Amino acid sequence: DTEVTQTPKHLVMGMTNKKSLKCEQHMGHRAMYWYKQKAKKPPELMFVYSYEKLSINESVPSRFSPECPNSSLLNLHLHALQPEDSALYLCASSQASGEQFFGPGTRLTVL
Amino acid sequence: ILNVEQSPQSLHVQEGDSTNFTCSFPSSNFYALHWYRWETAKSPEALFVMTLNGDEKKKGRISATLNTKEGYSYLYIKGSQPEDSATYLCAPESSSASKIIFGSGTRLSIRP
Repeated sequence: DTEVTQTPKHLVMGMTNKKSLKCEQHMGHRAMYWYKQKAKKPPELMFVYSYEKLSINESVPSRFSPECPNSSLLNLHLHALQPEDSALYLCASSQASGEQFFGPGTRLTVL
Repeated sequence: ILNVEQSPQSLHVQEGDSTNFTCSFPSSNFYALHWYRWETAKSPEALFVMTLNGDEKKKGRISATLNTKEGYSYLYIKGSQPEDSATYLCAPESSSASKIIFGSGTRLSIRP
C-alpha cells in the first residue's frame, strides 16, 4: 500500500460545527503532516508529527487541533472555524525527512 | 529557510522543445532540496529529493541539478510533451527543522 488516504473528500460546515478530517497511511512512515492549500497557491505547512509526537506547529489558530492516535493515523479536529478557513487540506507522510507522499485532500467549505 | 524563489513564474513551451527553470534558496543551514510536480485539482507528486552539492537526478525526460554553495537548483525537461503541463514546485529543507517550505512554483504550459 503506497498511498495516503483522506476522508472526507468534501466537507461543508457551519461556523459553530465541530468536525474532523482523517488521514491514513500504511507505508510505515514516521512523519505525518497537515498542509492548507488555497486556490492556485502552494501548500502551507500547518503541523508536523514525528513518531506520533507533535514536532512543529506553524502558529496555527487553536480552532485547528491535530491528533495522532497511532503511527498510521492523523486527524485534524475543527471547531468554530471562519469562512476564510475554507481551503483544501492536504495530509502527507514521509520516512523521516525524505520525499513526502500527499493524499488527495479534503475540500473544506465553511459557511 | 524563508526565501524560496522560483523563476520564471510561468512558461509556455512548444511541444518537443526542451526547457528549464530555477529555484533559488538560502544556502545556510541547507539539508535537502525537494522538487514536486503539481497538476491542477491533484496533490503534489514528488519528483526528486537532492542533498549533495553537485547532485544530479534524472527521471525519464526530467532531470535536476543542485548547487548548495550558491543556493540554486535547475529543473530540466527534455522534449516537452503536453502531459508535462503542470506547476513545478521546489521546496528546500533546512537542517534546523524537519519541514519543507514550498516556493510559489513555475507554471509550465506545453503548446501542441
